[in-house]
Amino acid sequence: GNSVTQMEGPVTLSEEAFLTINCTYTATGYPSLFWYVQYPGEGLQLLLKATKADDKGSNKGFEATYRKETTSFHLEKGSVQVSDSAVYFCALSDSSNDYKLSFGAGTTVTVRA
Amino acid sequence: KAGVTQTPRYLIKTRGQQVTLSCSPISGHRSVSWYQQTPGQGLQFLFEYFSETQRNKGNFPGRFSGRQFSNSRSEMNVSTLELGDSALYLCASSMGQPQETQYFGPGTRLLVL
Repeated sequence: GNSVTQMEGPVTLSEEAFLTINCTYTATGYPSLFWYVQYPGEGLQLLLKATKADDKGSNKGFEATYRKETTSFHLEKGSVQVSDSAVYFCALSDSSNDYKLSFGAGTTVTVRA
Repeated sequence: KAGVTQTPRYLIKTRGQQVTLSCSPISGHRSVSWYQQTPGQGLQFLFEYFSETQRNKGNFPGRFSGRQFSNSRSEMNVSTLELGDSALYLCASSMGQPQETQYFGPGTRLLVL
């Protein structure tokens, strides 16, 4: 079946530091990959996505590249801000699972001023 | 365009009661999916409705049920509440095509005492 593994948090950074959150996946078919972000007390917001190998998703300074050879979709941001403090979820959607979203456990990121 | 809305935002119930949660999708979206988020289990898929029919179902007991109306609004019902049902319930909407992005609402936080 499908599964998503994220690096465990929490992650604490200083402002302007570089952020990487590792995400690897297992899927039967050719999944679409997503990063969602959840700010305190809110629902999930789509951060970025990629639908095929070597695609790069980007938004708000965040980037992730779909790497089929390593089954990875690591999230990166070059210079984080306090407002980036949130929980980040890696997810996949695949035909073998009727396109239901399968989520990783989430990584809590705290950015200090 | 208005986003996904969920009502109520917060709910307190006691064991044995039943509860109904409501989700209004983005205008034009025909698919509504429900997810349960808990600290222990993370984000788990409950079910998906498309054009008033349940199209997908997760691994939850029959106490969890849902329906969708002709205007695509969806309701989720949980009967005979248990303490373990305390969670954030999120709904997400999309046009309903494969691998399409799902857009999430703010969630309903249910506390069972």
